[in-house]
Amino acid sequence: EAGVAQSPRYKIIEKRQSVAFWCNPISGHATLYWYQQILGQGPKLLIQFQNNGVVDDSQLPKDRFSAERLKGVDSTLKIQPAKLEDSAVYLCASSLFLNPGGPYNSPLHFGNGTRLTVT
Amino acid sequence: GEDVEQSLFLSVREGDSSVINCTYTDSSSTYLYWYKQEPGAGLQLLTYIFSNMDMKQDQRLTVLLNKKDKHLSLRIADTQTGDSAIYFCAETPGGSSNTGKLIFGQGTTLQVKP
Repeated sequence: EAGVAQSPRYKIIEKRQSVAFWCNPISGHATLYWYQQILGQGPKLLIQFQNNGVVDDSQLPKDRFSAERLKGVDSTLKIQPAKLEDSAVYLCASSLFLNPGGPYNSPLHFGNGTRLTVT
Repeated sequence: GEDVEQSLFLSVREGDSSVINCTYTDSSSTYLYWYKQEPGAGLQLLTYIFSNMDMKQDQRLTVLLNKKDKHLSLRIADTQTGDSAIYFCAETPGGSSNTGKLIFGQGTTLQVKP
């Protein structure tokens, strides 16, 4: 099966500019996640979608970050305006379904990420 | 709260066993995972364990879970140079925080010397 696709692989912008990242999850995966991975740290969840609805966006800096998942498939993550501290790898992941409180295992499958450098 | 801690660096000789350790705080975690990240790549799922198990073996990988101490370990037998990477421990929070998301540790860099 095809994996999670992300583009672009790399992006360099100046602070205060805007940028957008795109993700196409594994076919049939209902749940989509955007994680931010700062150099030397583990990934941190920004936003989680179930189909086209938001499940968790508690860690998303909503004054500058936005995300959407139209039609419950592809997703875009936007930063406007970018700050120096936004330099990171942005990882998209998908999983088969969401089973809150249940034991069923639905592991996350990750794309290769977009490396953003803000100068 | 939810927190996952790992040691930052481990160096071993090729052919030796590697043991990477992780501690977590959420006693209601349902599943615990190990992911591998190679340079410039995303995270690759290695293995996972359900919280009611204490051991799982998968070829060269052995996962041990001590739920009482909230301690998870990953043992790699006969470590090869291709195993050099960053290894992340992750948990699925339980209870009302269980939305399927993963909470990651900061990663352990494994260096394998020939």
